[in-house]
Amino acid sequence: EVQLLESGGGLVQPGGSLRLSCAASGFTFSSYAMNWVRQAPGKGLEWVSAISGSGGSKNYADSVKGRFTISRDNSKNTLYLQMNSLRAEDTAVYYCAKGSTAYGPYYYMDVWGKGTTVTVSS
Amino acid sequence: EIVMTQSPATLSVSPGERATLSCRASQSFSSNLAWYQQKLGQAPRLLIYGASTRVTGIPARFSGSGSGTEFTLTISSLQSEDFAVYYCQQYNNWPYTFGQGTKLEIK
Repeated sequence: EVQLLESGGGLVQPGGSLRLSCAASGFTFSSYAMNWVRQAPGKGLEWVSAISGSGGSKNYADSVKGRFTISRDNSKNTLYLQMNSLRAEDTAVYYCAKGSTAYGPYYYMDVWGKGTTVTVSS
Repeated sequence: EIVMTQSPATLSVSPGERATLSCRASQSFSSNLAWYQQKLGQAPRLLIYGASTRVTGIPARFSGSGSGTEFTLTISSLQSEDFAVYYCQQYNNWPYTFGQGTKLEIK
C-alpha cells in the first residue's frame, strides 16, 4: 500500500525556520515526482513546490520562492521542505503528494499524506 | 499563471439528485486537469485526472468532462458520502493552480 507520512510541523515565530519531512513507502520512490501542497485554516489548496524523481528539477510557487527549499533523499525514501523566513501567512496544513510520473508538469497528484500543521506566530 | 475559477462556491443538492460543478481556466489547455474531493479534517483524494478519467475505485456516478477553458464534474445521483468540498487543479503549466473549491452540501 502506498503511504505518505508527514512530520516536522509545529509552532514557530515569524522569521524562524522549520524543516518538514515526508516518509514514503509502498512504491519506488525515485521513480516519481513529489510535491508539497498547503491549506491555510478555512481556506483552499495551494500548491507550494515540486521536485522530480531524480531531484534534478525543482519548481516553486512565487509565494515561497527564495524562502523554501524542496529536496529529497531517494536512499531514505524521504521528501523534505526547508522553510526559512517564515511569515504568519505560511500558517497551514502542509501535505506531501506523490506525482503520477517522474517529471512534470504533466502529472497529477495521485496519493496524499494526512498533513502536518505549521503555525507561525509570536 | 493559469487562474482556475470554480462555480458555484456552494451547491445545495438533495440526496439522489444530480450535481454539476464547473471549473473555468484563464488560459486554454487540453486535458491536464484533475478533480479532488476533500472531506472535513481529511486530506484531498484524487477522483478524476485527464479531465475525464476516473481513478480506480471511484464510483461510476462521478464523471468529468471538458477541455480548453471549461471543465465539469458531474455526480449523477448524490450519496450521503459525497457531500464534501471539491477542487479542480490544472497540471498543464507551472505553477500548478487549484480552483477555490465548491462546497457540496445537503439540501
